[in-house]
Amino acid sequence: GAVVSQHPSWVICKSGTSVKIECRSLDFQATTMFWYRQFPKQSLMLMATSNEGSKATYEQGVEKDKFLINHASLTLSTLTVTSAHPEDSSFYICSARGRGGQGGTDTQYFGPGTRLTVL
Amino acid sequence: QKEVEQDPGPLSVPEGAIVSLNCTYSNSAFQYFMWYRQYSRKGPELLMYTYSSGNKEDGRFTAQVDKSSKYISLFIRDSQPSDSATYLCAMSGKAAGNKLTFGGGTRVLVKP
Repeated sequence: GAVVSQHPSWVICKSGTSVKIECRSLDFQATTMFWYRQFPKQSLMLMATSNEGSKATYEQGVEKDKFLINHASLTLSTLTVTSAHPEDSSFYICSARGRGGQGGTDTQYFGPGTRLTVL
Repeated sequence: QKEVEQDPGPLSVPEGAIVSLNCTYSNSAFQYFMWYRQYSRKGPELLMYTYSSGNKEDGRFTAQVDKSSKYISLFIRDSQPSDSATYLCAMSGKAAGNKLTFGGGTRVLVKP
Protein backbone atom coordinates (compact mmCIF):
# COMPACT_ATOMS: atom_id res chain seq x y z
CA GLY A 1 0.00 0.00 0.00
CA ALA A 2 0.79 3.72 0.13
CA VAL A 3 1.74 4.17 -3.51
CA VAL A 4 2.23 7.62 -4.99
CA SER A 5 2.62 8.18 -8.72
CA GLN A 6 3.87 11.16 -10.68
CA HIS A 7 3.41 12.07 -14.30
CA PRO A 8 5.37 12.75 -16.39
CA SER A 9 8.57 11.18 -15.16
CA TRP A 10 10.65 13.30 -17.50
CA VAL A 11 9.89 16.43 -19.48
CA ILE A 12 11.88 18.77 -21.69
CA CYS A 13 10.39 22.12 -22.60
CA LYS A 14 11.38 25.40 -24.19
CA SER A 15 12.03 28.48 -22.12
CA GLY A 16 8.85 30.48 -21.55
CA THR A 17 6.44 27.58 -21.69
CA SER A 18 4.46 26.14 -18.78
CA VAL A 19 4.71 22.59 -17.53
CA LYS A 20 2.19 20.69 -15.40
CA ILE A 21 3.21 17.80 -13.15
CA GLU A 22 0.61 15.49 -11.63
CA CYS A 23 0.88 13.68 -8.32
CA ARG A 24 -1.59 10.94 -7.39
CA SER A 25 -2.04 8.80 -4.32
CA LEU A 26 -3.16 5.47 -5.77
CA ASP A 27 -4.40 3.47 -2.79
CA PHE A 28 -5.10 5.97 -0.04
CA GLN A 29 -6.65 9.38 0.44
CA ALA A 30 -4.06 12.11 0.87
CA THR A 31 -5.24 14.88 3.13
CA THR A 32 -1.97 16.71 2.58
CA MET A 33 0.45 16.69 -0.32
CA PHE A 34 3.90 18.22 -0.44
CA TRP A 35 6.06 19.38 -3.32
CA TYR A 36 9.83 19.22 -3.11
CA ARG A 37 12.66 20.21 -5.35
CA GLN A 38 16.00 18.42 -5.41
CA PHE A 39 19.23 19.51 -7.06
CA PRO A 40 21.96 16.97 -7.90
CA LYS A 41 23.65 15.51 -4.82
CA GLN A 42 21.55 17.63 -2.51
CA SER A 43 18.72 16.83 -0.18
CA LEU A 44 15.07 17.61 -0.76
CA MET A 45 13.92 21.20 -0.41
CA LEU A 46 10.27 21.68 0.53
CA MET A 47 8.54 24.09 -1.82
CA ALA A 48 4.95 24.03 -0.63
CA THR A 49 2.30 22.17 1.32
CA SER A 50 -1.20 21.70 0.01
CA ASN A 51 -4.32 20.50 1.72
CA GLU A 52 -7.28 19.27 -0.28
CA GLY A 53 -9.66 22.08 -1.12
CA SER A 54 -7.54 24.92 0.20
CA LYS A 55 -4.74 27.14 -1.01
CA ALA A 56 -1.20 25.88 -0.82
CA THR A 57 1.24 27.18 1.76
CA TYR A 58 4.55 28.11 0.19
CA GLU A 59 7.95 28.05 1.86
CA GLN A 60 9.93 31.24 2.14
CA GLY A 61 11.60 32.16 -1.11
CA VAL A 62 9.31 30.08 -3.34
CA GLU A 63 7.35 32.18 -5.84
CA LYS A 64 3.72 31.16 -5.64
CA ASP A 65 2.88 32.83 -8.96
CA LYS A 66 5.55 30.78 -10.67
CA PHE A 67 4.82 27.44 -9.03
CA LEU A 68 1.06 27.01 -9.10
CA ILE A 69 -0.28 24.20 -6.94
CA ASN A 70 -3.78 22.76 -7.09
CA HIS A 71 -4.99 20.04 -4.75
CA ALA A 72 -8.30 19.30 -6.42
CA SER A 73 -9.14 16.04 -4.71
CA LEU A 74 -7.93 13.68 -2.00
CA THR A 75 -5.93 11.74 -4.57
CA LEU A 76 -4.59 14.40 -6.94
CA SER A 77 -2.34 17.44 -6.69
CA THR A 78 -0.75 19.30 -9.58
CA LEU A 79 2.27 21.57 -9.80
CA THR A 80 2.46 23.95 -12.75
CA VAL A 81 5.76 25.63 -13.46
CA THR A 82 4.75 28.77 -15.34
CA SER A 83 7.00 30.53 -17.84
CA ALA A 84 9.76 28.05 -17.16
CA HIS A 85 13.39 29.11 -17.46
CA PRO A 86 16.61 27.05 -17.49
CA GLU A 87 17.17 27.76 -13.79
CA ASP A 88 13.90 25.91 -13.08
CA SER A 89 15.48 22.71 -14.37
CA SER A 90 15.47 20.30 -11.45
CA PHE A 91 14.04 17.08 -10.03
CA TYR A 92 10.56 17.70 -8.62
CA ILE A 93 9.16 15.20 -6.13
CA CYS A 94 5.76 15.09 -4.52
CA SER A 95 4.75 13.28 -1.37
CA ALA A 96 1.43 12.46 0.19
CA ARG A 97 0.33 12.05 3.75
CA GLY A 98 -2.81 10.11 4.51
CA ARG A 99 -5.22 9.68 7.35
CA GLY A 100 -3.64 7.47 9.98
CA GLY A 101 -2.15 5.16 7.43
CA GLN A 102 0.91 2.98 7.78
CA GLY A 103 3.47 4.61 9.99
CA GLY A 104 1.07 7.11 11.45
CA THR A 105 -0.33 10.38 10.25
CA ASP A 106 3.10 12.01 10.04
CA THR A 107 4.47 9.58 7.47
CA GLN A 108 4.95 10.87 3.97
CA TYR A 109 5.08 8.62 0.93
CA PHE A 110 6.98 9.92 -2.04
CA GLY A 111 6.36 9.77 -5.75
CA PRO A 112 9.09 8.69 -8.17
CA GLY A 113 9.89 12.27 -9.17
CA THR A 114 9.76 14.30 -12.37
CA ARG A 115 12.91 15.49 -14.07
CA LEU A 116 12.33 18.86 -15.71
CA THR A 117 14.80 20.22 -18.24
CA VAL A 118 14.17 23.70 -19.61
CA LEU A 119 16.09 24.57 -22.76
CA GLN B 1 24.09 25.15 11.88
CA LYS B 2 21.58 22.91 10.14
CA GLU B 3 18.67 21.49 12.11
CA VAL B 4 19.59 17.97 11.04
CA GLU B 5 23.19 16.94 10.40
CA GLN B 6 24.14 13.89 8.39
CA ASP B 7 27.53 12.85 7.07
CA PRO B 8 27.37 12.93 3.26
CA GLY B 9 29.81 10.04 2.82
CA PRO B 10 30.40 8.23 0.60
CA LEU B 11 30.42 5.22 2.89
CA SER B 12 31.94 2.22 1.18
CA VAL B 13 31.58 -1.27 2.70
CA PRO B 14 32.14 -4.82 1.46
CA GLU B 15 29.14 -7.01 0.76
CA GLY B 16 27.88 -8.69 3.93
CA ALA B 17 29.15 -5.97 6.27
CA ILE B 18 27.00 -3.93 8.61
CA VAL B 19 26.21 -0.42 7.39
CA SER B 20 25.95 2.13 10.19
CA LEU B 21 24.32 5.47 9.51
CA ASN B 22 23.41 8.28 11.86
CA CYS B 23 22.00 11.77 12.17
CA THR B 24 22.08 14.38 14.87
CA TYR B 25 19.49 17.09 15.32
CA SER B 26 18.95 20.20 17.37
CA ASN B 27 15.17 20.66 17.56
CA SER B 28 13.77 18.93 20.65
CA ALA B 29 10.25 19.25 19.17
CA PHE B 30 10.90 16.38 16.76
CA GLN B 31 8.89 13.29 17.73
CA TYR B 32 8.75 11.20 14.56
CA PHE B 33 11.90 9.85 12.97
CA MET B 34 12.18 8.25 9.57
CA TRP B 35 14.78 6.77 7.30
CA TYR B 36 14.35 6.90 3.55
CA ARG B 37 16.37 5.22 0.81
CA GLN B 38 16.78 7.03 -2.49
CA TYR B 39 18.22 5.52 -5.62
CA SER B 40 19.63 7.83 -8.26
CA ARG B 41 16.90 9.76 -10.09
CA LYS B 42 14.12 8.15 -8.04
CA GLY B 43 11.88 9.34 -5.25
CA PRO B 44 12.70 8.47 -1.62
CA GLU B 45 11.35 5.17 -0.31
CA LEU B 46 10.33 4.88 3.34
CA LEU B 47 12.41 2.26 5.17
CA MET B 48 11.79 2.82 8.85
CA TYR B 49 9.49 4.91 10.99
CA THR B 50 9.99 5.41 14.72
CA TYR B 51 8.04 7.44 17.23
CA SER B 52 10.04 8.89 20.12
CA SER B 53 13.01 7.04 21.66
CA GLY B 54 13.71 3.36 21.28
CA ASN B 55 14.69 0.67 18.83
CA LYS B 56 12.79 -0.81 15.94
CA GLU B 57 13.76 -3.76 13.80
CA ASP B 58 12.44 -4.76 10.40
CA GLY B 59 14.25 -7.52 8.59
CA ARG B 60 17.85 -6.44 8.01
CA PHE B 61 17.16 -2.90 9.20
CA THR B 62 17.35 -1.58 12.76
CA ALA B 63 16.52 1.99 13.67
CA GLN B 64 17.49 3.56 16.97
CA VAL B 65 16.41 6.87 18.44
CA ASP B 66 18.01 8.51 21.46
CA LYS B 67 16.07 11.70 22.11
CA SER B 68 18.17 12.61 25.14
CA SER B 69 21.23 12.81 22.89
CA LYS B 70 19.29 14.00 19.84
CA TYR B 71 20.85 11.17 17.85
CA ILE B 72 19.31 8.60 15.53
CA SER B 73 20.86 5.62 13.80
CA LEU B 74 20.10 3.11 11.09
CA PHE B 75 21.90 -0.23 10.85
CA ILE B 76 21.75 -2.47 7.79
CA ARG B 77 22.85 -6.04 8.40
CA ASP B 78 24.19 -8.39 5.73
CA SER B 79 24.50 -5.53 3.26
CA GLN B 80 23.96 -6.25 -0.44
CA PRO B 81 25.10 -4.37 -3.55
CA SER B 82 21.42 -3.49 -4.06
CA ASP B 83 21.61 -1.49 -0.82
CA SER B 84 23.88 1.00 -2.61
CA ALA B 85 21.90 4.23 -2.51
CA THR B 86 21.58 7.51 -0.65
CA TYR B 87 20.00 7.22 2.79
CA LEU B 88 18.11 10.20 4.14
CA CYS B 89 17.08 10.69 7.71
CA ALA B 90 13.98 12.78 8.27
CA MET B 91 12.07 13.95 11.28
CA SER B 92 8.95 15.85 12.18
CA GLY B 93 6.70 16.79 15.05
CA LYS B 94 3.50 18.69 15.74
CA ALA B 95 5.40 21.48 17.47
CA ALA B 96 7.72 21.61 14.47
CA GLY B 97 4.89 22.27 12.05
CA ASN B 98 4.39 18.66 10.97
CA LYS B 99 6.80 19.17 8.09
CA LEU B 100 9.59 16.76 7.36
CA THR B 101 13.08 18.08 7.99
CA PHE B 102 15.67 16.08 6.11
CA GLY B 103 19.31 15.41 6.67
CA GLY B 104 21.55 15.94 3.68
CA GLY B 105 21.76 12.22 2.95
CA THR B 106 24.59 9.68 3.15
CA ARG B 107 25.68 7.94 -0.01
CA VAL B 108 26.36 4.26 0.61
CA LEU B 109 28.26 1.95 -1.72
CA VAL B 110 28.24 -1.78 -1.05
CA LYS B 111 30.97 -3.50 -3.03
CA PRO B 112 30.54 -7.13 -4.15
